[in-house]
Amino acid sequence: DAGVTQSPTHLIKTRGQQVTLRCSPISGHKSVSWYQQVLGQGPQFIFQYYEKEERGRGNFPDRFSARQFPNYSSELNVNALLLGDSALYLCASSSNAVIHEQYFGPGTRLTVT
Amino acid sequence: AQSVTQPDIHITVSEGASLELRCNYSYGATPYLFWYVQSPGQGLQLLLKYFSGDTLVQGIKGFEAEFKRSQSSFNLRKPSVHWSDAAEYFCAVENTGFQKLVFGTGTRLLVSP
Repeated sequence: DAGVTQSPTHLIKTRGQQVTLRCSPISGHKSVSWYQQVLGQGPQFIFQYYEKEERGRGNFPDRFSARQFPNYSSELNVNALLLGDSALYLCASSSNAVIHEQYFGPGTRLTVT
Repeated sequence: AQSVTQPDIHITVSEGASLELRCNYSYGATPYLFWYVQSPGQGLQLLLKYFSGDTLVQGIKGFEAEFKRSQSSFNLRKPSVHWSDAAEYFCAVENTGFQKLVFGTGTRLLVSP
């Protein structure tokens, strides 16, 4: 079975631009969470979505938004990019909203110049 | 708010030697605790988890961890390290009722020949 997939693998954007990152969960998983991992730090929780509804939000500005589609895939959008948004963005899926068992994708490396 | 401390940024261990990575958490009740491993350019892989019951938990790849409530610790151990264990290790806590993982800053394990 395929694991969590994310696209693109790498991305370079300019300050002020907007970016969309995509995630496909493991088949049968209905919950998707997004994390930001800045170099040298642990991942920081951004959002959790379950059954297309936002179930949790971390301490991130409104420039960050996400959504989940009927097939449970998800997109993370970041507007007005800042240099500090450069990070590895990780997507994790779990079978339900109780995220005791999360499976992470390989991440999207975003570089903002 | 809950937090996780991994006091060792880097650890170097000789191949075949034993390993212990430290993790301390701050949380009022019994948390759900996790250890993840991240190889360069990869996502996070779950090594083991503690929810309740036996305080010594076994994981994949020969790893184990012990939950000590009195010390608020959840240290990861392996009796004999292999060169392929070189990676970054993250301890995480899930606050029941708040559906997100809080990660430590990670410990980078280097394995010397």
